[in-house]
Amino acid sequence: DQQVKQNSPSLSVQEGRISILNCDYTNSMFDYFLWYKKYPAEGPTFLISISSIKDKNEDGRFTVFLNKSAKHLSLHIVPSQPGDSAVYFCAASGDGANSKLTFGKGITLSVRP
Amino acid sequence: DTGVSQDPRHKITKRGQNVTFRCDPISELNRLYWYRQTLGQGPEFLTYFQNEAQLEKSRLLSDRFSAERPKGSFSTLEIQRTEQGDSAMYLCASSSTGRSNQPQHFGDGTRLSIL
Repeated sequence: DQQVKQNSPSLSVQEGRISILNCDYTNSMFDYFLWYKKYPAEGPTFLISISSIKDKNEDGRFTVFLNKSAKHLSLHIVPSQPGDSAVYFCAASGDGANSKLTFGKGITLSVRP
Repeated sequence: DTGVSQDPRHKITKRGQNVTFRCDPISELNRLYWYRQTLGQGPEFLTYFQNEAQLEKSRLLSDRFSAERPKGSFSTLEIQRTEQGDSAMYLCASSSTGRSNQPQHFGDGTRLSIL
């Protein structure tokens, strides 16, 4: 039973264009959502997060959108750069003591020069 | 570097042997988490500590697995009588408690290979 789903295993975009990475969840108790980036042989690196009380959070080239009614979030990267090529994981948690992260399977992003 | 440190980075062992991994978290962050990641999957939660107290364990954590965090500092994860299915990347993460949600910061993991 996958509570966090990243249905597209890969995405390829041209340098300078927008990358849109999607994520769906099923557990309505989740109230904190995060995106992590992972290079081979390294641990996941925190990128950006959003609380369920917001619908948008922006940090530089990265923006996360949350649609609670649809149980859907997306990560926008604008403009995409070759160094953004990595695996991106969507993750979710509850609040307080229920802080463990539930991850999706990840999306491999390739940014073509 | 004041990030999460894990040791060893790689461990190769024969089936049936015991292995122990160590995690040194970010010192000022009081929560420590263990996850396991297999090929093609996202990390899966195993257990977490707040200071020295182990607050939650996943059902993935069989009786062969044990984790400790003495004195609320570093943590160890031990696997007894390893099996082929234990081959995975074992990740440790740090976060803090507080009024608002806090992201978890991961180490580079220990890759375990069972022969």
